[in-house]
Parts: sequence; C-alpha cells; structure tokens
Amino acid sequence: QKEVEQDPGPLSVPEGAIVSLNCTYSNSAFQYFMWYRQYSRKGPELLMYTYSSGNKEDGRFTAQVDKSSKYISLFIRDSQPSDSATYLCAMSDAGKSTFGDGTTLTVKP
Amino acid sequence: DAEITQSPRHKITETGRQVTLACHQTWNHNNMFWYRQDLGHGLRLIHYSYGVQDTNKGEVSDGYSVSRSNTEDLPLTLESAASSQTSVYFCASSENPRGLSYNEQFFGPGTRLTVL
Repeated sequence: QKEVEQDPGPLSVPEGAIVSLNCTYSNSAFQYFMWYRQYSRKGPELLMYTYSSGNKEDGRFTAQVDKSSKYISLFIRDSQPSDSATYLCAMSDAGKSTFGDGTTLTVKP
Repeated sequence: DAEITQSPRHKITETGRQVTLACHQTWNHNNMFWYRQDLGHGLRLIHYSYGVQDTNKGEVSDGYSVSRSNTEDLPLTLESAASSQTSVYFCASSENPRGLSYNEQFFGPGTRLTVL
C-alpha cells in the first residue's frame, strides 16, 4: 500500500465550479502538507503548504489538513480554465517529500 | 535569476547503453533530488543528496546512480538502459537543512527519455 493515496481523476468541471481534490496518507510522522501544480510538459510548482492540522487560504485556494483522519484536501473556488493542470499532494518528513500520483483537472469555459 | 536546468530535454537511446542526465541549479541549495514520473505512478524518488559527497537511495534506485561533487550539479546515470526506464525525469532542489520537515522543492523542466 502506498504511503500517500490521491483521488486519481481525471476531473472535468465547468468554469466557476468549486473543485475538491483529496489525498489520504498512512505515515503519522508527516508534519508538512503541500500541494503542487503541474502544467502539461512542465515541472511541478508549489501552490500551497500547511503545517499540521487546520486550514490555509490563499485567494481562491484553500488547503485543509485533518491529521486525526490522515486526510488532506485542496479546494478551488470559482475555477478558471487557467486552473487546468495536474495537482499533486505531497507530504514531508525528514527533508524529503512523498508525492501522490496526481489528479488531472480540466476546467471548461 | 536563480534556476534549475536539465539537459538534454529529450533523449532517445538503445537498450544497454549508458546514459547520463544532467541537472544544474543556481539556487545554492543543499538538497537535490531525482524523480521519475510515469502514468499511474506519480513522482517516484530515485536518488537524493543533502550535500556534497552525500548520496542516498530512493524508492526506485535500481539501475541508477548519482554523484555529488559540487553544490550545483547532481547528474543521474543509467548504467545500462532498459525499456522499463522510459520515463520523464525531474530534478529538484530545496534549501532547508536535513531535519527540517518543510521542504519546498523547486523542479527543473524535465527530461523525456525513451529507451528502444
């Protein structure tokens, strides 16, 4: 079983929809939880990170961590075609990160 | 501006050949990582380094090697390329010293390798 499991998608939504992306994990040692965004044929780029449990908001993006359930989410409000990308969750322990497989999102105009 | 570059961007090689993929960063980061990305498997860690002369195996290290002779470079060598190593390879670097969990990684643009 993988340490990090991510909803595989793909996900296709109309412009303006609320998007929910989710990951679960098994390693209790993870303390930092990150979301990377990867456009086609590009390297991933950090979108947001959260320390321990709780919520963090940045514009249209909200990251949630529930350590008791070992569950993290990324919400995108008012989704735009420019949000179309693959989103990877990542969790950090001892300096290196473990990534989910990614969810590919398409936002249709 | 600081950056991380990979070369070549595309490579086609034959089974059994030795191949080296270059990674160069100008962030002056201590930590460098090599991943492969395949459909259905996401990003899998091949090797990583926390500093000069330090290298460590990741979850899919068989058939690959790295060496770290300076801060800027971490070349990845495929000793004898196999068709199963056809993939997109990403190099990444990060700043935080080992032991600090937060670890934003900065990724290169990737190298698309095909082994025939």
